Amino acid sequence: DADVTQTPRNRITKTGKRIMLECSQTKGHDRMYWYRQDPGLGLRLIYYSFDVKDINKGEISDGYSVSRQAQAKFSLSLESAIPNQTALYFCATSDSGNQPQHFGDGTRLSIL
Amino acid sequence: AQSVTQPDIHITVSEGASLELRCNYSYGATPYLFWYVQSPGQGLQLLLKYFSGDTLVQGIKGFEAEFKRSQSSFNLRKPSVHWSDAAEYFCAVLRGSTLGRLYFGRGTQLTVWP
Repeated sequence: DADVTQTPRNRITKTGKRIMLECSQTKGHDRMYWYRQDPGLGLRLIYYSFDVKDINKGEISDGYSVSRQAQAKFSLSLESAIPNQTALYFCATSDSGNQPQHFGDGTRLSIL
Repeated sequence: AQSVTQPDIHITVSEGASLELRCNYSYGATPYLFWYVQSPGQGLQLLLKYFSGDTLVQGIKGFEAEFKRSQSSFNLRKPSVHWSDAAEYFCAVLRGSTLGRLYFGRGTQLTVWP
C-alpha cells in the first residue's frame, strides 16, 4: 500500500460544486501539505499543517480550505469550484522541517 | 521573488548521452536542496538531497548533483541517460526562514530519443 494515499485520483465536476479531496498517510509524519500543479508553473503550496492543531496558509490559499481530522488525515476543500481551479493536486508529508517531503500520486481535478 | 529557477523548460537527449539539468536558487544562507522526478501519472519521487557537507551528492537511479555556493546552483547530472529517465524534473529548496515549506522550480521536461 502507498504511504501517502489520495482520493479520488480523478474527478470531473461542474462550476459551483463543493469538492473535497482527501489525503491519508501511514508514515506517521506530523507535517502534511497540499500543493497544486499547473503546467509550466511547478508546484505551489496551498495549505500546510505541522500538527493537528496547526494549519497555515500557503501561497495560493484563496478559494480553498482544509481540515486536519487526525495526524494521518488532511483534507482539501473547494467550497465553490471554478474552472481555473482545474489542476493536479498533490498531498505530501514530512517528518520535520528539514526532511524531504513524500508525495501522493495526485488527484487530477477538472472543473467544467 | 522566485526562489528557484530552472532555466530549461524542455530538454531532449539521445539515449546513452550525458545529461545536466540546471537549477539556481536565491537565498542568502545555505538552503536545503532537493531534486524530485515526476513520471507521467505519478507523484513526485525524491532523487537526492543536499543539506551540508560534501557538495557532490549521489542519488537514486544513477543521478548526482553538485552544490556550488558561488554560483547558487544545484545542477543534476547523469552520465548516461536511459529511455526510462524521460520524465519531469523539479528542483526544490527549503529556506531556513520558512523551514518546512518547499519552494519548487517550474520543472524541466526531459525527452529521451532512442
